[in-house]
Amino acid sequence: GAGVSQSPSNKVTEKGKDVELRCDPISGHTALYWYRQSLGQGLEFLIYFQGNSAPDKSGLPSDRFSAERTGGSVSTLTIQRTQQEDSAVYLCASSLERDRKGGYTFGSGTRLTVV
Amino acid sequence: QKEVEQDPGPLSVPEGAIVSLNCTYSNSAFQYFMWYRQYSRKGPELLMYTYSSGNKEDGRFTAQVDKSSKYISLFIRDSQPSDSATYLCASSISNFGNEKLTFGTGTRLTIIP
Repeated sequence: GAGVSQSPSNKVTEKGKDVELRCDPISGHTALYWYRQSLGQGLEFLIYFQGNSAPDKSGLPSDRFSAERTGGSVSTLTIQRTQQEDSAVYLCASSLERDRKGGYTFGSGTRLTVV
Repeated sequence: QKEVEQDPGPLSVPEGAIVSLNCTYSNSAFQYFMWYRQYSRKGPELLMYTYSSGNKEDGRFTAQVDKSSKYISLFIRDSQPSDSATYLCASSISNFGNEKLTFGTGTRLTIIP
């Protein structure tokens, strides 16, 4: 697609429920990143995909967080047994592998609220 | 200590003023420096991108990098209310997609009409 698409744009969930966040990167972008942005905390790296594999998942905060990518395209970030501290904006970004042209292209994010 | 430090502000300036936004970094291996602009409820968008030390100008925006002092700056001339946003600096060692960017926390800027 023309840009990075994320869905849903907003999600309100009850504490303890599981949620799935979707990212559709720019066509042809093999590098895909997930970040989390909390109020006043800046962008926190979660996980990086190269194609369908995740060589760097060092930013996932706990084993309740997991992500997968299929077909070298769409990625899903899953949060199990959500907690209130998981409330944040989850941003997905993509880029080319060999030339990032300066930076990634971000989606508009999914605003997650855990009540 | 974070690898990239940025004053969170908020910063308010009158329309037409020159705005100076700054970051410092600690990793001397950083070679690529970026500024992102993020409007409320939107994702960050790449505004400026520079390699190594020096200046880069694009319209009303000038990015400046001083590697000797590990200092990154963004100047906005003739600031407009539409420039009101959060500005994030970011750095990396390479330009390859397999290296994650290291971001500052962002500075919230308001241009007062």
